[in-house]
Amino acid sequence: GAVVSQHPSWVICKSGTSVKIECRSLDFQATTMFWYRQFPKQSLMLMATSNEGSKATYEQGVEKDKFLINHASLTLSTLTVTSAHPEDSSFYICSLTGSPYNEQFFGPGTRLTVL
Amino acid sequence: QQPVQSPQAVILREGEDAVINCSSSKALYSVHWYRQKHGEAPVFLMILLKGGEQKGHDKISASFNEKKQQSSLYLTASQLSYSGTYFCGTGQPNRDDKIIFGKGTRLHILP
Repeated sequence: GAVVSQHPSWVICKSGTSVKIECRSLDFQATTMFWYRQFPKQSLMLMATSNEGSKATYEQGVEKDKFLINHASLTLSTLTVTSAHPEDSSFYICSLTGSPYNEQFFGPGTRLTVL
Repeated sequence: QQPVQSPQAVILREGEDAVINCSSSKALYSVHWYRQKHGEAPVFLMILLKGGEQKGHDKISASFNEKKQQSSLYLTASQLSYSGTYFCGTGQPNRDDKIIFGKGTRLHILP
């Protein structure tokens, strides 16, 4: 399966600051990547689909101006949480789709804590 | 549409069997099963695409009923390493590759 990395693994920031999370595909060229958010003991909630070379597609209820996604290359997608607040504290996970069954391979996740 | 998982949680002793169900009121395009351990990312277990399909690996298997509205994950002779949260997810028929996950089933194996 595909190998996906995320950086950083965890981040603690003050309220009002912006945080960038990187998602890299190490051995697979991904035209599409996905960003999920997971609160403690809850399910993975799809936030957006990141499309290489074009705008991301956001799920209903996700603020595109707050969660900026850039997919500049086939191996890198970034999620920037702008003006982060404590309620944005969560586990953010990216994934990409494998072939031929469209199974998803997840990065290790980034735990964001906003003070 | 988010699939419904049951039970929400299971506690077993090592060696016992478990069944986790995933269902929907509408036919599912596909069913994906993942396991997530605490603080880690989910790991792909298997995918079922066809009604009536059954597949497995080692002592973990899954089925997809004929109407494609229910899938079950079977954990046989459970091991301590099976502990974690199991998610089913459904793919989309428009081939945009995104998956909608159920709320998860927490499985805890006792020695």
